Amino acid sequence: KAGVTQTPRYLIKTRGQQVTLSCSPISGHRSVSWYQQTPGQGLQFLFEYFSETQRNKGNFPGRFSGRQFSNSRSEMNVSTLELGDSALYLCASSRGQGGYMNTEAFFGQGTRLTVV
Amino acid sequence: DQQVKQNSPSLSVQEGRISILNCDYTNSMFDYFLWYKKYPAEGPTFLISISSIKDKNEDGRFTVFLNKSAKHLSLHIVPSQPGDSAVYFCAAANTGGFKTIFGAGTRLFVKA
Repeated sequence: KAGVTQTPRYLIKTRGQQVTLSCSPISGHRSVSWYQQTPGQGLQFLFEYFSETQRNKGNFPGRFSGRQFSNSRSEMNVSTLELGDSALYLCASSRGQGGYMNTEAFFGQGTRLTVV
Repeated sequence: DQQVKQNSPSLSVQEGRISILNCDYTNSMFDYFLWYKKYPAEGPTFLISISSIKDKNEDGRFTVFLNKSAKHLSLHIVPSQPGDSAVYFCAAANTGGFKTIFGAGTRLFVKA
């Protein structure tokens, strides 16, 4: 069974630009969550999508947005990039249908975004 | 609003000894707790979990303890091995709310 795939693995962007990151979940998983990892801050929750609907949202500004397609693949977009957006962005997939076993998340390797 | 806290950024342990990683949470709505392990350049991988109806769950060298009244959980690794050196994230979930919150992580160093 293929794991969670995130593309691209590395990205360098300039301040003010926008970026789109992609995540393909494990087959059969309908929930995709996005996290930002920075040193000392752990994994900060961005948002979670289930069946093309945003079901949960973290405390990030509106520059961070996402969407999910009918095949459960998800994209995350960051507009007007700032230097502080430099981080590892991780995507996690799960069944997402409630209950203990459906909560366990499987992570991709992440996209390392550097804003210069 | 740090609902899940791992107050020790790092921990160093001798090979063969016990490693104890701690985690505190604030939201009593959490009913499921998980530990993930992360190596550099890889995504976190699930290690062990515990539901709020239990106070202990064991899987080989890994045991997680939950103290609901103190809103505290801990991960015990015994005996510790050099390959256990990684960042460990504590996570808490409200399985009905479909949201999992992670702590800041604790970097474990196991010295040979």
